[in-house]
Amino acid sequence: QITLKESGPTLVKPTQTLTLTCTVSGSSLSSSEISMGWIRQSPGKALEWLAIIHWDADKRYSPSLKSRLTITKDNSKNQVVLTMTNMDPVDTGTYYCAHSVARGSYYVFDYWGLGTLVTVSS
Amino acid sequence: SYELTQPPSVSVSPGQTASITCSGDQLGNKYVCWYQQKPGQSPVLVIYQNRKRPSGIPERFSGSNSGNTASLTISGTQSMDEADYYCQMWDSSTASYVFGPGTKVTVL
Repeated sequence: QITLKESGPTLVKPTQTLTLTCTVSGSSLSSSEISMGWIRQSPGKALEWLAIIHWDADKRYSPSLKSRLTITKDNSKNQVVLTMTNMDPVDTGTYYCAHSVARGSYYVFDYWGLGTLVTVSS
Repeated sequence: SYELTQPPSVSVSPGQTASITCSGDQLGNKYVCWYQQKPGQSPVLVIYQNRKRPSGIPERFSGSNSGNTASLTISGTQSMDEADYYCQMWDSSTASYVFGPGTKVTVL
């Protein structure tokens, strides 16, 4: 049973940096073909992919947000961390951590956390 | 950047078939997956690699992908299938994952 739990602040001020942590149970982040991603969803809007980190620490970012994002992982703690700089009210939404496995030539998000709602407001 | 298009909504009667489309340039040359999201819940993977079902997903969910359009079909739709459905693919040109805008399926 793979479970994911996101943690971090529920409220950040504009221009601040957001740091979110995802703790994974039931799957080892050091295993090959296991990757972890972050996806967000603004209220009433569609899913938006943010970043992914692969088992070998290779990273990919959303082209539109690349300059603001950093994804890292700690295999010993089985955690993944996402930081997003210069937060703005438009960044308000639910941030999901997702477990990802290789299926063919790309990865699919097969398990998702419950998500954490982040509000950006002064 | 690569864009996916989905109809905003689809309505279906209980027991009937619901079809949700996802369109994109030469999408048939790429792998597509589908996620179901019920209100207040996290997304659930229902189809990957165009037509494969993860374990635990009912057989009434099926997928296809050809030309510029991928489709998710729900046969014998049940009230529990009422949800938003998102298609998603990997855009190798930008090395990024792309989600469609989502389709709200209503079971009337």
